[in-house]
Amino acid sequence: QKEVEQDPGPLSVPEGAIVSLNCTYSNSAFQYFMWYRQYSRKGPELLMYTYSSGNKEDGRFTAQVDKSSKYISLFIRDSQPSDSATYLCAMSPVYGQNFVFGPGTRLSVLP
Amino acid sequence: EPEVTQTPSHQVTQMGQEVILRCVPISNHLYFYWYRQILGQKVEFLVSFYNNEISEKSEIFDDQFSVERPDGSNFTLKIRSTKLEDSAMYFCASSEGQGGGYTFGSGTRLTVV
Repeated sequence: QKEVEQDPGPLSVPEGAIVSLNCTYSNSAFQYFMWYRQYSRKGPELLMYTYSSGNKEDGRFTAQVDKSSKYISLFIRDSQPSDSATYLCAMSPVYGQNFVFGPGTRLSVLP
Repeated sequence: EPEVTQTPSHQVTQMGQEVILRCVPISNHLYFYWYRQILGQKVEFLVSFYNNEISEKSEIFDDQFSVERPDGSNFTLKIRSTKLEDSAMYFCASSEGQGGGYTFGSGTRLTVV
């Protein structure tokens, strides 16, 4: 089993839809979680950072962490064509060290 | 908004040559990192650096690689003798500390020919 898994997509949704992006992981020691957006041939752009379980909201983005299920989610409300990108989850057991990245989910938001 | 700056944006080098990739992290950040991404593959951790020393490194970060923070602003990655398989995007990142995410630079695309 891979350490961090994501549905590779591509996921296509119409503009305005609510998008749900998910990651599962195998290492129960992970407690720091991040979501990134990456446009083609660009650096990852930090969207959300969370610690341990629970929800965090920032604008149109909501991150959820369920450590008991080893499952994290990113919800995007009112999706826009500019949200079309690859979404990466990353996680680590210890802050300041290796964050393990998932392979990414490609999202296309169609106008 | 503060950003992590990387130079050059693209470097082409011959196999066996040394390259130095440069990064200017965000000024009040204390933790520094290098990651790489081979085209079409996932982002992979290379090394983390805190308090002027390496705090963790991956299996990829072998003796060919080294990092330095030569002054108060720059953070460099050196590859001593490049191989074809070192061709990738190299990303520098920095973070303030616990409670903050990692901010990535735009990357240096390294092409080894």
